[in-house]
Amino acid sequence: EVQLLESGGGLVQPGGSLRLSCAASRFTFSSYAMSWVRQAPGKGLEWVSGISGSGGSTYYADSVKGRFTISRDNSKNTLFLQMNSLRAEDTAVYSCAKSRRFCIGGSCPPDDAFDIWGQGTMVTVSS
Amino acid sequence: SYEVTQPPSVSVSPGQTATITCSGDKMGDKYACWYQQKPGQSPVLVIYQDNKRPSGIPERFSGSNSGNTATLTISGTQAMDEADYYCQAWDSSTAVFGTGTKVTVL
Repeated sequence: EVQLLESGGGLVQPGGSLRLSCAASRFTFSSYAMSWVRQAPGKGLEWVSGISGSGGSTYYADSVKGRFTISRDNSKNTLFLQMNSLRAEDTAVYSCAKSRRFCIGGSCPPDDAFDIWGQGTMVTVSS
Repeated sequence: SYEVTQPPSVSVSPGQTATITCSGDKMGDKYACWYQQKPGQSPVLVIYQDNKRPSGIPERFSGSNSGNTATLTISGTQAMDEADYYCQAWDSSTAVFGTGTKVTVL
């Protein structure tokens, strides 16, 4: 079964940093774009960032641009999200999500539906 | 930035049809997809590319997209369909989710 497993969440003070990881299994990781999506408590879904299968292209929501960095290690089937200058409004469950489209060469942007989601990891920004 | 709006709630009787709309400027020019999210669970893709169902999604889920509105239709709604539903589209390399609709099966 295709699986995504996030880790790295926790409690951090405003202005602090955190690095999230998403371990993928049972699919050809490098052939799929990936994204991070967050959901604040009691709120809706918000896309945060996406990355092509090769890692050569990255995309960000305006709300995190310049503070968050998405990356991936295809040799370890792992997706990352480096979060700096964290704010209270970044408090949310962060989930990684796989794009549906298979892309030979891994150059495709994450512009398709998300067909597999992880269970999420909670990030709380508070003093 | 691109905005997508959904009705906050929809109520439906068991066996009846639930219709959820998703409105955005020229939504019909984009591909819309739909996710179902039950409390405490991760979202599940139920419709992609406007009207395609992933493997394992019941036939009672269908979708359409034209003009400024994408629509998710649940025919013969069952109690298990009670959940939050989100539409999503891509605009300028950014994924945009709708505001979400809570479907209550009365």
